[in-house]
Amino acid sequence: QVQLKETGPGLVQPTQTLSITCTVSGFSLTSYYMQWVRQTPGKGLEWMGFIRSGGSTEYNSEFKSRLSISRDTSKNQVFLKMNSLKTEDTGVYYCARDSSLHYWGQGVMVTVSS
Amino acid sequence: DIQMTQSPPSLSASLGDKVTITCQASQNINKYIAWYQQKPGKAPRQLIRYTSTLVSGTPSRFSGSGSGRDYSFSISNVESEDIASYYCLQYDNLPWTFGGGTKLELK
Repeated sequence: QVQLKETGPGLVQPTQTLSITCTVSGFSLTSYYMQWVRQTPGKGLEWMGFIRSGGSTEYNSEFKSRLSISRDTSKNQVFLKMNSLKTEDTGVYYCARDSSLHYWGQGVMVTVSS
Repeated sequence: DIQMTQSPPSLSASLGDKVTITCQASQNINKYIAWYQQKPGKAPRQLIRYTSTLVSGTPSRFSGSGSGRDYSFSISNVESEDIASYYCLQYDNLPWTFGGGTKLELK
């Protein structure tokens, strides 16, 4: 069945770079959009960006200058990297599948703090 | 960016009630709206996509409707397991945008 699971560092220092991996099973990354969404106390649910089945990407301009989404289809993994972290980036980060965000991972809590 | 104005922010209902949540988009979103349920500590779960299509496993007491800028989501015969927060999402125009959420509580 379709499964998505995020793994990440938990705690990141301000100004540092966040790296999260979404490992999927039950489908091929070359057939579906994969998206990143975060949920923060300050802004609620925010769409961050996606990587299309063909590999092209789109980003929310709120993050565009510091966000990168990529994938390794051989490992069934999608990656989020965001630099210049601030305390306001503290929240839960989710990967999700499909243009309408049908399937979601369990999320990974990220705390930005020194 | 398209703004999604979701109301009400909170809702109190008795078991068996019908409740309705609305989302108004700042422009026409061509029915590309989905609705999600989120329980504390859990990821959102998609219930409805493309305005009114129930996702597999969504009970029939959930429904959605609307067009243009105005959309609604209803739960008929509220059950205890429906106590959660609900969110709309427009996926017509980039960036996708979410409503602010509605917290459904038991009266």
